[in-house]
Amino acid sequence: DQQVKQNSPSLSVQEGRISILNCDYTNSMFDYFLWYKKYPAEGPTFLISISSIKDKNEDGRFTVFLNKSAKHLSLHIVPSQPGDSAVYFCAASAPHGANSKLTFGKGITLSVRP
Amino acid sequence: DVKVTQSSRYLVKRTGEKVFLECVQDMDHENMFWYRQDPGLGLRLIYFSYDVKMKEKGDIPEGYSVSREKKERFSLILESASTNQTSMYLCASRGHQYGYTFGSGTRLTVV
Repeated sequence: DQQVKQNSPSLSVQEGRISILNCDYTNSMFDYFLWYKKYPAEGPTFLISISSIKDKNEDGRFTVFLNKSAKHLSLHIVPSQPGDSAVYFCAASAPHGANSKLTFGKGITLSVRP
Repeated sequence: DVKVTQSSRYLVKRTGEKVFLECVQDMDHENMFWYRQDPGLGLRLIYFSYDVKMKEKGDIPEGYSVSREKKERFSLILESASTNQTSMYLCASRGHQYGYTFGSGTRLTVV
């Protein structure tokens, strides 16, 4: 049973426009959410995160929005650049204990067209 | 910055071979993880360890084992490699923060 879902496998946007990547979750115990970016032949790198006590977190061109009632989060990239083309993974964590771990979605492949 | 180092970027092994994938982290993290990434399937957790000599199965442990004799090193072992274990293998570690730090990955091909 997938607890973190990224229902769109791919997204293509024009350079300079907004990219919106969506993520849904089912486990109401999740209280911290992260986005990772992955280029081919490299490991994922941390992009941005948000705690469940917030509904928005911004870092430069990247903003993550959290709607707890809908169990939905989204990553906005404005403006999109060709270098943003990568696979983006949404991840969620339950309250942090010694054995807690992240649950990942399947990823979205973003292509930014020049 | 935390560094997670995977010993090989690319590896080609024959069916039936025993394969060792090594991972070392340099920040005294308690938790370490092994994932594999396959197209359309995302990141799937194979095994994880929250302390030396401790290990727990993830979602797809079959055909794999792990070893954590020292805190900084977490090894993934393919007991008898098969072609369906051809994949990108990713090691990660985590300390007290929520997020993981990943290694660069090992692209394993089993022929």
